[in-house]
Amino acid sequence: DAKTTQPPSMDCAEGRAANLPCNHSTISGNEYVYWYRQIHSQGPQYIIHGLKNNETNEMASLIITEDRKSSTLILPHATLRDTAVYYCIVRVASYGGATNKLIFGTGTLLAVQP
Amino acid sequence: GAVVSQHPSRVICKSGTSVKIECRSLDFQATTMFWYRQFPKQSLMLMATSNEGSKATYEQGVEKDKFLINHASLTLSTLTVTSAHPEDSSFYICSASVRLAGGGEQYFGPGTRLTVT
Repeated sequence: DAKTTQPPSMDCAEGRAANLPCNHSTISGNEYVYWYRQIHSQGPQYIIHGLKNNETNEMASLIITEDRKSSTLILPHATLRDTAVYYCIVRVASYGGATNKLIFGTGTLLAVQP
Repeated sequence: GAVVSQHPSRVICKSGTSVKIECRSLDFQATTMFWYRQFPKQSLMLMATSNEGSKATYEQGVEKDKFLINHASLTLSTLTVTSAHPEDSSFYICSASVRLAGGGEQYFGPGTRLTVT
């Protein structure tokens, strides 16, 4: 079962920052927070992951609370192409093998409005 | 980098026939590949984990004799849906595991839409 809770849907105006929350109150000390997104009828796309420090890459920023029970994915300047279902997943990091599997929850449908 | 392809992208078959779906890692070697299934308006459901050179590990409730998985090389895994029925119609997605700093990572193929008539 998924270990995260996300709102089912959110709206965001084009050009504004999109902040997607995720609760993972039962996260273990060795579990990372991963974010993927799925644009309609495509395979999921990796966005970012982190353990306890905030992370940033060319796609997004990930803010993890100090107690690690929740996190926020930030898309700094949302575009219409960012409309997708965003999945927050917690998982033990590994270098391949069965423990690398991802269990998807229901995610958040982000609709970027023009 | 880290591109995963699937073939075919769409397939329509008649009930009772078998369909093979290929998953390839194009620019890296993947010792582990995963197969997911997604029904309309639902999330991805993991079907099985495919390790190169060994038998696949199936998730609970997935029939291994119906969904045959072969991972013969480090760049190719195949999923064969045997004796397909209309209820097998779904979006099938594979992913390949890549080693990255901080842990292994998965990159997904574009998916294969199977329609069984």
